[in-house]
Amino acid sequence: AQSVTQLDSHVSVSEGTPVLLRCNYSSSYSPSLFWYVQHPNKGLQLLLKYTSAATLVKGINGFEAEFKKSETSFHLTKPSAHMSDAAEYFCVVSEGTNAGKSTFGDGTTLTVKP
Amino acid sequence: NAGVTQTPKFRVLKTGQSMTLLCAQDMNHEYMYWYRQDPGMGLRLIHYSVGEGTTAKGEVPDGYNVSRLKKQNFLLGLESAAPSQTSVYFCASSSGTVSLRPQHFGDGTRLSIL
Repeated sequence: AQSVTQLDSHVSVSEGTPVLLRCNYSSSYSPSLFWYVQHPNKGLQLLLKYTSAATLVKGINGFEAEFKKSETSFHLTKPSAHMSDAAEYFCVVSEGTNAGKSTFGDGTTLTVKP
Repeated sequence: NAGVTQTPKFRVLKTGQSMTLLCAQDMNHEYMYWYRQDPGMGLRLIHYSVGEGTTAKGEVPDGYNVSRLKKQNFLLGLESAAPSQTSVYFCASSSGTVSLRPQHFGDGTRLSIL
């Protein structure tokens, strides 16, 4: 069975400061992990993915995430927040045994203050 | 590049009415999915398809039916709408299993059942 927990429902940062969005997962198998971003009234867009290659994954718009098996975590970071980063972020886990099934976290709303 | 297109974007129904949501993708993807998104929650899988002519149940399939008669289209039907089906519905597609390939999402259909 797979599950994912996003530890913060809301995160607020000032423009130019670092962003940290936390995600813990549970999986019976070697999981694939994704981060997606959703802007208001839009669909989800892929930020980055981990599929058992390098544990530090770089994505679009300066985001990156590190897969830590010992901590079962996949936290999303960005060194310097931009106003355009304000959105909702979803951590997603998929197991290789479930061809069509992903489990989504409940989401973290990122607010960026000027 | 159209990607994944959902029709309609908004709809209001009365309890007991039926309707069909259409999803079309132009990326020649094998896999297609229907999700619902409720406030404060992540996306939950309703049904999915791993190829033309195939469908499978997801996490919350009750009250919904689907069909995949053509590779590019995935239809979601509500036979007798209920207020509990008020939600935002997202369609997605991927070129392979979600454990390896990212999903591409439409912009959603906002459905209200009165």
